Amino acid sequence: AQSVTQPDIHITVSEGASLELRCNYSYGATPYLFWYVQSPGQGLQLLLKYFSGDTLVQGIKGFEAEFKRSQSSFNLRKPSVHWSDAAEYFCAVGARDMRFGAGTRLTVKP
Amino acid sequence: GAGVSQSPRYKVAKRGQDVALRCDPISGHVSLFWYQQALGQGPEFLTYFQNEAQLDKSGLPSDRFFAERPEGSVSTLKIQRTQQEDSAVYLCASSFTSGPFNEQFFGPGTRLTVL
Repeated sequence: AQSVTQPDIHITVSEGASLELRCNYSYGATPYLFWYVQSPGQGLQLLLKYFSGDTLVQGIKGFEAEFKRSQSSFNLRKPSVHWSDAAEYFCAVGARDMRFGAGTRLTVKP
Repeated sequence: GAGVSQSPRYKVAKRGQDVALRCDPISGHVSLFWYQQALGQGPEFLTYFQNEAQLDKSGLPSDRFFAERPEGSVSTLKIQRTQQEDSAVYLCASSFTSGPFNEQFFGPGTRLTVL
């Protein structure tokens, strides 16, 4: 069965610092992988997605993610965090019936 | 419309009441999805429509949950005899085509509280 684990419930980083959010997946075949961001009162917004090709994927808002099959990981990164990046981040796997992780809440310190 | 809309945004129900949650997808979107998001959790898949056909309802937690999309656009999620464990945010999403790798656009959700 497909599933996603986000090991970090809450992360705090300083504005301007780099960020890495972890995601591990379990999937029987080549996975469809996604990262979404959810701000308070807002709907989920897609940051980036991966199915095949280059394992380093570029997304919106300066985010990128790297697919590592050997580690079953799809970690999200950003070189310099902005205060507006504070939100809840969800990793998801699957096709139409996506399975989401429990999320990582990002706090950005001034 | 510009995005997926859901109504009502907030719903309070007494245990045992029936509720109906509405989703207006982006115009022309073929696929529509419902998710349930409990407090502090990620969304959990409930059901999927392609046009008016409900192709997957494997995530519906019980037979008290029913979804429909009769004309292939607006969808309604109905919960009968609500229970406290049904309290959650119900998210609707739509995508332009039926392909599995297409971006799902999410609405703001309906927060259901069952007392």
